[in-house]
Amino acid sequence: EVQLLESGGGLVQPGGSLRLSCKASGFTFSTYAMSWVRQAPGKGLEWVSSLSPSASSTYYADSVKGRFTISRDNSRTTLSLQMSSLRAEDTAVYYCAKPVTLVRGGTVDAFDFWGQGTLVIVSS
Amino acid sequence: DIQMTQSPSSLSASIGDRVTITCRASQDISNYLAWYQQKPGKAPKLLIYYASTLQSGVPSRFSGSGSGTDFTLTISGLQTEDVAIYYCHEYSSAPPTFGQGTKVEIK
Repeated sequence: EVQLLESGGGLVQPGGSLRLSCKASGFTFSTYAMSWVRQAPGKGLEWVSSLSPSASSTYYADSVKGRFTISRDNSRTTLSLQMSSLRAEDTAVYYCAKPVTLVRGGTVDAFDFWGQGTLVIVSS
Repeated sequence: DIQMTQSPSSLSASIGDRVTITCRASQDISNYLAWYQQKPGKAPKLLIYYASTLQSGVPSRFSGSGSGTDFTLTISGLQTEDVAIYYCHEYSSAPPTFGQGTKVEIK
């Protein structure tokens, strides 16, 4: 059974830093690109960042570029998001998400499994 | 960036009604479109990808159609458990973007 378990959220002051983690299980983590998607309170979904299976390619939303760093440890099947210079507008539930696996092989960049989310609140 | 515009932003329908939600892309995205259902306090659930491919385990009353810039999610026979917010998601290019959501309620 695929499981994604986020942790690391909490209350942080503006300008502060926080590191989120996503522990994956139930699939071959090292062969999948993984992503972070966030949702501000009462708002819609916003893609944040994605990372290729080998961590050789990273992608960021303009809103977080230069402040957030995505990484992974395939030996520990863990995805991470290091967030710095946090702003009030970064307040959100952060989800890690896995892409769809096609029966015939390969993946689709839609997300078939999501974690339960971890809440980040940036406030003084 | 590609903009995704959903309509309506909310709707109210009766049990058994056919419900249609539309999503329009600001440029051609072929069929690289997914639909999600999100219930309060829960993570989104994938319903459809490649515009019309039903995700495993999703009831057949959900269907998707469209290509290019115009897409539709249809619920054929609304059920009480379908009360949720529905989002479209284009993944044709970076950055992937989501529609603003459509809230579905029971009349």
